[in-house]
Amino acid sequence: DVQLVETGGGLIQPGGSLRVACAATGFTVSSNYMAWVRQAPGKGLEWVSIMYSGGSTYYADSVKGRCTISRDKSKNTMFLQLDGVTTEDTAVYYCARKANGFYTYFDLWGQGTLVTVSS
Amino acid sequence: SYVLTQPPSVSVAPGQTATLTCEGDNIGSKSAHWYQQKPGQAPVVVVYDDSDRPSGVTERFSGSNSGNTATLTISRVEAGDEADYYCQVWDGNSDHGVFGGGTQLTVL
Repeated sequence: DVQLVETGGGLIQPGGSLRVACAATGFTVSSNYMAWVRQAPGKGLEWVSIMYSGGSTYYADSVKGRCTISRDKSKNTMFLQLDGVTTEDTAVYYCARKANGFYTYFDLWGQGTLVTVSS
Repeated sequence: SYVLTQPPSVSVAPGQTATLTCEGDNIGSKSAHWYQQKPGQAPVVVVYDDSDRPSGVTERFSGSNSGNTATLTISRVEAGDEADYYCQVWDGNSDHGVFGGGTQLTVL
């Protein structure tokens, strides 16, 4: 079965770091363009970051400089680390796969993991 | 940065047609995609590349994109269509994904 499963959510203190993981089954993470999208409570979707199959990475302005997207081929898993978190980073974090080829939409999403930043 | 604007809410009676818009500067030159998100669930694409439907999505969902507006049309609206709908494009200049603010569709 093809799916994405996020883990790593929870309560984080302001100024700390969050690290969420996205484990894939049924396909290879490193052969795809993989992204993170987040959604603050009651708010809309916000694109956060993407890693291309070749390893290039890109970040939204809201997280650039404090965010790192990475992957572990042996675990077929993608990660997102965000440092210096604030309450503004409280959100459900989704991982998503960009459709193969020249498509620019996300064809597969995980169920999301909630990260709450609070003291 | 590229901005997409959607109306916060649209209401429609069952059986009628819902028209959801997504405005962006010359969005017609980009491929627009639409996602449906129900409470507590992850988004699901319902239209991609302006007007294509993934397998399994009802033909009641259709899309168009021209000029500064992309449109998602839902015909013969049903109670089960009630959800939030987001448009999305890819900004190739910055390699960034861009989502609209979302439209909450209410079926009266």
